[in-house]
Amino acid sequence: GAGVSQSPRYKVAKRGQDVALRCDPISGHVSLFWYQQALGQGPEFLTYFQNEAQLDKSGLPSDRFFAERPEGSVSTLKIQRTQQEDSAVYLCASSLRLAGGKHNEQFFGPGTRLTVL
Amino acid sequence: TQLLEQSPQFLSIQEGENLTVYCNSSSVFSSLQWYRQEPGEGPVLLVTVVTGGEVKKLKRLTFQFGDARKDSSLHITAAQPGDTGLYLCAGLNSGGSNYKLTFGKGTLLTVNP
Repeated sequence: GAGVSQSPRYKVAKRGQDVALRCDPISGHVSLFWYQQALGQGPEFLTYFQNEAQLDKSGLPSDRFFAERPEGSVSTLKIQRTQQEDSAVYLCASSLRLAGGKHNEQFFGPGTRLTVL
Repeated sequence: TQLLEQSPQFLSIQEGENLTVYCNSSSVFSSLQWYRQEPGEGPVLLVTVVTGGEVKKLKRLTFQFGDARKDSSLHITAAQPGDTGLYLCAGLNSGGSNYKLTFGKGTLLTVNP
């Protein structure tokens, strides 16, 4: 398909396990974003990539969260030693141009629902 | 920290009724976006409003940006069951982090047939 895809769609982890969430952005999109959406909340910004460069990681909740986009396309969000408070939907979004500017639309994937037991 | 307050949080109405959803902030945003999110899906952009006082119409949906660019409203006329979903407003930061979206908590709308 032509949209943003994410895998897995659902992930159940035991507390303390490491998880890796994958995002395949729309082909050719320069900018990539990760958001965390807790139950009953709006998405919250985690991090932003411009091609392979991670320009903003100010939203990552702790040093257990790590994101990478080594070749400027696919991105992985890794969470080490998962905790129950990490349970949420993790959304990935991509946009065509360098982010910034009022008309640079972000296209969202369906998200990965992470449940930590 | 810039915050967006949405109201109401939940709204259940009958088909054919009109409704308005509000999005308010104490901060100024360079633009404001409205999204609709369905269960198991990511948010989908409905509209971007940029200029203070701007009004945009999308079929039965009317979006307004406040004069001071701090608040916005979404009005739906003659709601239909297909309008059911989570409506999110999001402000785009100004300045150096003008790629960062700040979302409200959303309004969960249910339109009953």
